[in-house]
Amino acid sequence: GQQVMQIPQYQHVQEGEDFTTYCNSSTTLSNIQWYKQRPGGHPVFLIQLVKSGEVKKQKRLTFQFGEAKKNSSLHITATQTTDVGTYFCAVPGDSSYKLIFGSGTRLLVRP
Amino acid sequence: GAGVSQSPSNKVTEKGKDVELRCDPISGHTALYWYRQRLGQGLEFLIYFQGNSAPDKSGLPSDRFSAERTGESVSTLTIQRTQQEDSAVYLCASTATGLTYNEQFFGPGTRLTVL
Repeated sequence: GQQVMQIPQYQHVQEGEDFTTYCNSSTTLSNIQWYKQRPGGHPVFLIQLVKSGEVKKQKRLTFQFGEAKKNSSLHITATQTTDVGTYFCAVPGDSSYKLIFGSGTRLLVRP
Repeated sequence: GAGVSQSPSNKVTEKGKDVELRCDPISGHTALYWYRQRLGQGLEFLIYFQGNSAPDKSGLPSDRFSAERTGESVSTLTIQRTQQEDSAVYLCASTATGLTYNEQFFGPGTRLTVL
């Protein structure tokens, strides 16, 4: 079945440093979604990418979808303590309705 | 409007007991998912409901797990004869139509601890 690899597993940065998490699939994806889960919270939808090479920005967050639609990245510029949490990518599974979530990247920010 | 709600927020039970977890999806959302999230892990798909169609139960880990949903309303996840490995956060999510293009709205989860 569909699998997605997400790296790194966790990253500890100094406030103000940049952060990037990557998701890689062995198959071409129709779309990819990104979610953020704060400590003790539940996943919250951030964005969806659909087009090859697509780049979307949300303030300090930049999302990219690879040209081959097999990989994606989430980049945070100048991290803040409010960015702390686990970031998950999610890709379509073996059906039209099932999402497969990556293992997540846990971001810790030192103030 | 209100988001997805789940109850109870926390449940502590003894091994061997049955538990029932409840999810109230967003009104009008036809699709509902249950996930399990073990501590520090990702989301594990359990079951999917879409309207009155037969549910996709392919993610249920054993026959001790079952779930029901009446129409497009409340869903309950039941775990019989709980085991310590069932300890996890159980998350419910709903979407407007159930396609993978739709944003999933998650509830706050039920943290289950089996002693």
